Amino acid sequence: KQEVTQIPAALSVPEGENLVLNCSFTDSAIYNLQWFRQDPGKGLTSLLLIQSSQREQTSGRLNASLDKSSGRSTLYIAASQPGDSATYLCAASGSARQLTFGSGTQLTVLP
Amino acid sequence: ETGVTQTPRHLVMGMTNKKSLKCEQHLGHNAMYWYKQSAKKPLELMFVYSLEERVENNSVPSRFSPECPNSSHLFLHLHTLQPEDSALYLCASSQDLTDRADTQYFGPGTRLTVL
Repeated sequence: KQEVTQIPAALSVPEGENLVLNCSFTDSAIYNLQWFRQDPGKGLTSLLLIQSSQREQTSGRLNASLDKSSGRSTLYIAASQPGDSATYLCAASGSARQLTFGSGTQLTVLP
Repeated sequence: ETGVTQTPRHLVMGMTNKKSLKCEQHLGHNAMYWYKQSAKKPLELMFVYSLEERVENNSVPSRFSPECPNSSHLFLHLHTLQPEDSALYLCASSQDLTDRADTQYFGPGTRLTVL
Protein backbone atom coordinates (compact mmCIF):
# COMPACT_ATOMS: atom_id res chain seq x y z
CA LYS A 1 0.00 0.00 0.00
CA GLN A 2 1.34 3.41 -1.01
CA GLU A 3 2.27 5.78 1.81
CA VAL A 4 3.18 9.42 1.27
CA THR A 5 5.05 11.48 3.84
CA GLN A 6 5.68 15.22 3.84
CA ILE A 7 8.34 16.95 5.86
CA PRO A 8 8.23 19.39 7.53
CA ALA A 9 4.64 19.54 8.76
CA ALA A 10 4.93 23.30 9.14
CA LEU A 11 7.37 25.92 7.94
CA SER A 12 7.66 29.65 8.57
CA VAL A 13 10.00 31.80 6.47
CA PRO A 14 10.56 35.52 5.87
CA GLU A 15 9.40 37.01 2.61
CA GLY A 16 11.85 36.69 -0.27
CA GLU A 17 13.43 33.46 0.90
CA ASN A 18 13.77 30.44 -1.38
CA LEU A 19 12.42 27.24 0.15
CA VAL A 20 12.05 23.52 -0.47
CA LEU A 21 9.19 21.25 0.54
CA ASN A 22 9.81 17.52 0.68
CA CYS A 23 7.63 14.56 -0.23
CA SER A 24 8.50 10.87 -0.05
CA PHE A 25 6.56 7.82 -1.20
CA THR A 26 7.03 4.13 -0.51
CA ASP A 27 5.95 2.53 -3.81
CA SER A 28 7.93 3.75 -6.81
CA ALA A 29 5.41 2.29 -9.30
CA ILE A 30 3.59 5.58 -9.78
CA TYR A 31 1.90 7.10 -12.81
CA ASN A 32 2.56 10.64 -11.71
CA LEU A 33 3.28 12.85 -8.73
CA GLN A 34 1.19 15.95 -8.16
CA TRP A 35 1.54 19.00 -5.96
CA PHE A 36 -1.51 20.88 -4.75
CA ARG A 37 -2.13 24.01 -2.74
CA GLN A 38 -4.94 24.31 -0.19
CA ASP A 39 -6.00 27.60 1.38
CA PRO A 40 -7.78 27.47 4.76
CA GLY A 41 -11.30 26.07 4.50
CA LYS A 42 -11.06 25.67 0.75
CA GLY A 43 -10.53 23.00 -1.85
CA LEU A 44 -7.29 22.01 -3.55
CA THR A 45 -5.67 23.79 -6.47
CA SER A 46 -3.35 21.80 -8.72
CA LEU A 47 0.10 23.36 -9.02
CA LEU A 48 2.29 20.90 -10.90
CA LEU A 49 2.02 17.36 -12.24
CA ILE A 50 5.13 15.32 -13.01
CA GLN A 51 4.62 12.20 -15.09
CA SER A 52 6.61 9.13 -14.10
CA SER A 53 8.88 9.53 -17.15
CA GLN A 54 9.75 13.12 -16.26
CA ARG A 55 12.29 14.54 -13.83
CA GLU A 56 10.85 17.98 -13.19
CA GLN A 57 8.19 20.53 -14.03
CA THR A 58 8.25 24.31 -13.70
CA SER A 59 5.54 26.91 -13.41
CA GLY A 60 6.55 30.48 -12.65
CA ARG A 61 8.36 30.54 -9.31
CA LEU A 62 7.58 26.87 -8.66
CA ASN A 63 9.75 23.93 -9.63
CA ALA A 64 8.94 20.34 -8.76
CA SER A 65 11.34 17.45 -9.15
CA LEU A 66 10.80 13.71 -9.10
CA ASP A 67 13.24 10.90 -8.30
CA LYS A 68 11.32 7.65 -8.58
CA SER A 69 14.23 5.43 -7.65
CA SER A 70 14.59 7.09 -4.26
CA GLY A 71 10.86 7.72 -3.82
CA ARG A 72 11.22 11.45 -3.43
CA SER A 73 9.82 14.67 -4.81
CA THR A 74 10.59 18.25 -3.91
CA LEU A 75 8.73 21.49 -4.49
CA TYR A 76 11.00 24.51 -4.77
CA ILE A 77 9.47 27.96 -4.28
CA ALA A 78 11.65 30.88 -5.32
CA ALA A 79 11.42 34.36 -3.82
CA SER A 80 8.54 33.48 -1.50
CA GLN A 81 5.70 35.96 -0.96
CA PRO A 82 3.04 36.26 1.78
CA GLY A 83 0.47 35.14 -0.80
CA ASP A 84 2.25 31.79 -0.95
CA SER A 85 1.07 31.03 2.59
CA ALA A 86 -1.06 27.89 2.39
CA THR A 87 -0.87 24.15 2.93
CA TYR A 88 0.99 22.29 0.20
CA LEU A 89 0.01 18.69 -0.50
CA CYS A 90 1.73 16.11 -2.63
CA ALA A 91 -0.07 13.09 -4.03
CA ALA A 92 1.13 9.98 -5.82
CA SER A 93 -0.99 8.36 -8.53
CA GLY A 94 -0.55 4.60 -8.80
CA SER A 95 -1.76 1.72 -10.93
CA ALA A 96 -5.11 1.74 -9.18
CA ARG A 97 -5.53 5.28 -10.59
CA GLN A 98 -6.03 6.58 -7.10
CA LEU A 99 -4.26 9.53 -5.57
CA THR A 100 -2.56 8.88 -2.23
CA PHE A 101 -2.01 12.13 -0.38
CA GLY A 102 0.52 13.23 2.20
CA SER A 103 -0.56 15.15 5.28
CA GLY A 104 0.77 18.40 3.85
CA THR A 105 3.21 21.15 4.79
CA GLN A 106 1.67 24.29 6.24
CA LEU A 107 3.71 27.23 4.91
CA THR A 108 3.67 30.71 6.40
CA VAL A 109 5.57 33.49 4.63
CA LEU A 110 6.08 36.45 6.92
CA PRO A 111 6.01 39.99 5.47
CA GLU B 1 -13.37 29.40 -10.26
CA THR B 2 -12.32 25.76 -10.39
CA GLY B 3 -15.24 24.56 -12.46
CA VAL B 4 -16.33 22.22 -9.65
CA THR B 5 -19.02 23.45 -7.29
CA GLN B 6 -20.28 21.92 -4.07
CA THR B 7 -23.38 22.62 -1.99
CA PRO B 8 -23.92 23.23 0.79
CA ARG B 9 -20.63 24.75 1.91
CA HIS B 10 -21.43 24.13 5.56
CA LEU B 11 -23.75 21.56 7.13
CA VAL B 12 -24.59 20.76 10.73
CA MET B 13 -26.66 17.65 11.34
CA GLY B 14 -27.73 15.38 14.14
CA MET B 15 -26.95 11.69 14.17
CA THR B 16 -30.50 10.77 13.19
CA ASN B 17 -30.79 13.18 10.27
CA LYS B 18 -30.62 12.37 6.57
CA LYS B 19 -28.90 14.87 4.31
CA SER B 20 -27.20 14.98 0.90
CA LEU B 21 -24.11 16.67 -0.43
CA LYS B 22 -24.10 17.80 -4.03
CA CYS B 23 -21.24 18.23 -6.46
CA GLU B 24 -21.42 19.57 -10.01
CA GLN B 25 -18.60 19.86 -12.51
CA HIS B 26 -18.73 22.17 -15.51
CA LEU B 27 -15.57 20.85 -17.19
CA GLY B 28 -16.93 18.06 -19.36
CA HIS B 29 -15.01 15.45 -17.36
CA ASN B 30 -15.83 11.77 -17.23
CA ALA B 31 -14.54 10.85 -13.76
CA MET B 32 -15.67 12.16 -10.37
CA TYR B 33 -14.45 11.51 -6.83
CA TRP B 34 -15.46 11.95 -3.19
CA TYR B 35 -12.72 12.55 -0.61
CA LYS B 36 -12.85 12.99 3.17
CA GLN B 37 -10.41 15.35 4.89
CA SER B 38 -10.30 15.02 8.67
CA ALA B 39 -8.20 17.17 10.95
CA LYS B 40 -4.57 16.06 11.15
CA LYS B 41 -5.09 13.25 8.59
CA PRO B 42 -4.34 12.97 4.86
CA LEU B 43 -7.16 13.14 2.35
CA GLU B 44 -8.92 9.80 2.09
CA LEU B 45 -10.48 8.67 -1.17
CA MET B 46 -14.04 7.44 -0.59
CA PHE B 47 -15.60 6.78 -4.00
CA VAL B 48 -14.65 6.99 -7.68
CA TYR B 49 -17.08 7.14 -10.59
CA SER B 50 -16.18 6.86 -14.25
CA LEU B 51 -18.88 7.51 -16.85
CA GLU B 52 -21.48 7.26 -14.08
CA GLU B 53 -20.29 3.80 -13.00
CA ARG B 54 -18.77 3.30 -9.56
CA VAL B 55 -15.26 1.90 -9.98
CA GLU B 56 -13.86 2.22 -6.46
CA ASN B 57 -15.32 2.00 -3.00
CA ASN B 58 -12.62 2.21 -0.37
CA SER B 59 -14.28 0.37 2.51
CA VAL B 60 -16.57 3.26 3.30
CA PRO B 61 -19.34 2.62 5.87
CA SER B 62 -22.80 2.13 4.40
CA ARG B 63 -24.07 5.26 6.14
CA PHE B 64 -22.41 7.06 3.20
CA SER B 65 -24.22 6.36 -0.08
CA PRO B 66 -22.99 7.90 -3.35
CA GLU B 67 -25.08 8.57 -6.42
CA CYS B 68 -23.95 9.65 -9.88
CA PRO B 69 -27.01 10.31 -12.09
CA ASN B 70 -24.90 11.71 -14.95
CA SER B 71 -21.29 12.63 -15.64
CA SER B 72 -21.77 16.19 -14.37
CA HIS B 73 -23.37 15.49 -11.01
CA LEU B 74 -22.33 13.52 -7.96
CA PHE B 75 -24.19 13.19 -4.67
CA LEU B 76 -23.24 11.83 -1.28
CA HIS B 77 -26.26 10.77 0.75
CA LEU B 78 -25.74 10.74 4.51
CA HIS B 79 -27.76 8.96 7.19
CA THR B 80 -27.23 8.04 10.85
CA LEU B 81 -23.76 9.57 10.90
CA GLN B 82 -21.41 9.58 13.87
CA PRO B 83 -19.55 12.56 15.37
CA GLU B 84 -16.28 11.15 13.99
CA ASP B 85 -17.70 11.67 10.49
CA SER B 86 -17.31 15.41 10.98
CA ALA B 87 -14.84 16.54 8.31
CA LEU B 88 -14.37 18.48 5.11
CA TYR B 89 -15.84 16.50 2.20
CA LEU B 90 -14.23 17.30 -1.12
CA CYS B 91 -15.44 16.48 -4.58
CA ALA B 92 -13.09 16.30 -7.56
CA SER B 93 -13.24 15.53 -11.26
CA SER B 94 -10.79 14.56 -13.97
CA GLN B 95 -11.02 14.06 -17.72
CA ASP B 96 -10.64 10.29 -17.48
CA LEU B 97 -9.18 7.63 -15.22
CA THR B 98 -6.65 6.32 -17.71
CA ASP B 99 -4.63 9.39 -18.70
CA ARG B 100 -1.37 9.49 -16.77
CA ALA B 101 -1.07 13.22 -17.31
CA ASP B 102 -4.51 13.90 -15.98
CA THR B 103 -4.92 16.08 -12.92
CA GLN B 104 -7.91 16.29 -10.64
CA TYR B 105 -9.87 19.50 -10.15
CA PHE B 106 -11.33 20.01 -6.71
CA GLY B 107 -14.41 21.78 -5.44
CA PRO B 108 -14.34 24.04 -2.35
CA GLY B 109 -15.68 21.32 -0.09
CA THR B 110 -18.56 20.91 2.36
CA ARG B 111 -17.66 21.37 6.02
CA LEU B 112 -19.79 18.78 7.85
CA THR B 113 -20.37 18.80 11.59
CA VAL B 114 -22.24 15.89 13.18
CA LEU B 115 -23.64 16.61 16.63
